[in-house]
Amino acid sequence: NAGVTQTPKFRILKIGQSMTLQCTQDMNHNYMYWYRQDPGMGLKLIYYSVGAGITDKGEVPNGYNVSRSTTEDFPLRLELAAPSQTSVYFCASSMDRGRGTDTQYFGPGTRLTVL
Amino acid sequence: AQSVTQLDSHVSVSEGTPVLLRCNYSSSYSPSLFWYVQHPNKGLQLLLKYTSAATLVKGINGFEAEFKKSETSFHLTKPSAHMSDAAEYFCVVTPRMDSSYKLIFGSGTRLLVRP
Repeated sequence: NAGVTQTPKFRILKIGQSMTLQCTQDMNHNYMYWYRQDPGMGLKLIYYSVGAGITDKGEVPNGYNVSRSTTEDFPLRLELAAPSQTSVYFCASSMDRGRGTDTQYFGPGTRLTVL
Repeated sequence: AQSVTQLDSHVSVSEGTPVLLRCNYSSSYSPSLFWYVQHPNKGLQLLLKYTSAATLVKGINGFEAEFKKSETSFHLTKPSAHMSDAAEYFCVVTPRMDSSYKLIFGSGTRLLVRP
């Protein structure tokens, strides 16, 4: 049981490049989330998914896209990288029965730098 | 609207002395409250959570927190700090209601433990 895994661990992009951050969980969780963490700040929700085929925007979705074709995978796509997207990205999952009480399990993060 | 304020960005203690990390919250609904810990270059790990049962919540590694509705506080404590406790700590709130699963993070408190 690996929990939540993310790849890559580190990435440097040039302005305007695109990339996909991968996230996989093996806990059969329905809910998955993408967060970004800027220096000295808490995490902010980018997108979330309540199940395969269902996604929705979080607090800071601009510049990102997601898809959820399977229960296990929830990739995050950056289409035109900008310096403002330099951050650490965390994927998380939870069983969550819709009442905000379930624990979210986090991956180790992807550190992205856009130059 | 929900929000979380962590009152100290940095806390420094000596090994073996008590730890107090302060958190105040604002929530329109009965909240669930969490404390997460983040060690350097790692993902977040749940320390403890309050979900409307006992107001004094015990977590892992000797940490505990008390939910005080009258003070809108959820401070994290530990009787005796250990060097391995040095990390970033996040207080998190989510409104405990149907279809609510979005975490609102505080800005974090960095705990330094001196030998």
